[in-house]
Amino acid sequence: EVQLVESGGGLVQPGRSLRLSCAASGFTFDDYAMHWVRQAPGKGLEWVSGISWNSGSIGYADSVKGRFTISRDNAKNSLYLQMNSLRAEDTALYYCAKGTIAVAGDRQVFDYWGQGTLVTVSS
Amino acid sequence: DIQMTQSPSSLSASVGDRVTITCRASQSISSYLNWYQQKPGKAPKLLIYAASSLQSGVPSRFSGSGSGTDFTLTISSLQPEDFATYYCQQSYSTSPAFGQGTKVEIK
Repeated sequence: EVQLVESGGGLVQPGRSLRLSCAASGFTFDDYAMHWVRQAPGKGLEWVSGISWNSGSIGYADSVKGRFTISRDNAKNSLYLQMNSLRAEDTALYYCAKGTIAVAGDRQVFDYWGQGTLVTVSS
Repeated sequence: DIQMTQSPSSLSASVGDRVTITCRASQSISSYLNWYQQKPGKAPKLLIYAASSLQSGVPSRFSGSGSGTDFTLTISSLQPEDFATYYCQQSYSTSPAFGQGTKVEIK
């Protein structure tokens, strides 16, 4: 059974940093691209970032480019999101999602999702 | 960037009704369109990929159609467990984008 478990969320002040983690199990982690998708309270879904199986291809939404960094550790079956210079508009539930192909970029379908970790940016 | 627009934003329907949700892309995306279901407090669930392919384990009352810019998700006979919010997502470009969602409520 595929499981994705996010952690690392919490309350943080504007301008500060936070690192999210996603622990994956139940599938061959290094066969697939992985992604972060967020959902602001009461709002829709927004793709944040994706990373290919070997970290060779990475993409970011314009809203987080230059502030967020995605990474993965295939030996630990883990995905990460380093979030710097956080803003109030980054407040959201952050989901880890599994891609259906190995590469990041186009053709991304998200077939499994974690339950999310909540990030609240407020002073 | 490709924009995705769903209609309606919400609808009320009864159990047994046929329900149709539309998704329109701001440019042609071929058949690179996926549908997700999200229930309150839960993560999204993949229903349909590549416009019309049913994800494993998803009931056959769900179907998708369309290509180019216009797509449809149809629930042939609405069941109590289908009351949820539905999102389309384009997978044509390197920046995957979702529609704003359609909330299906009980009439």
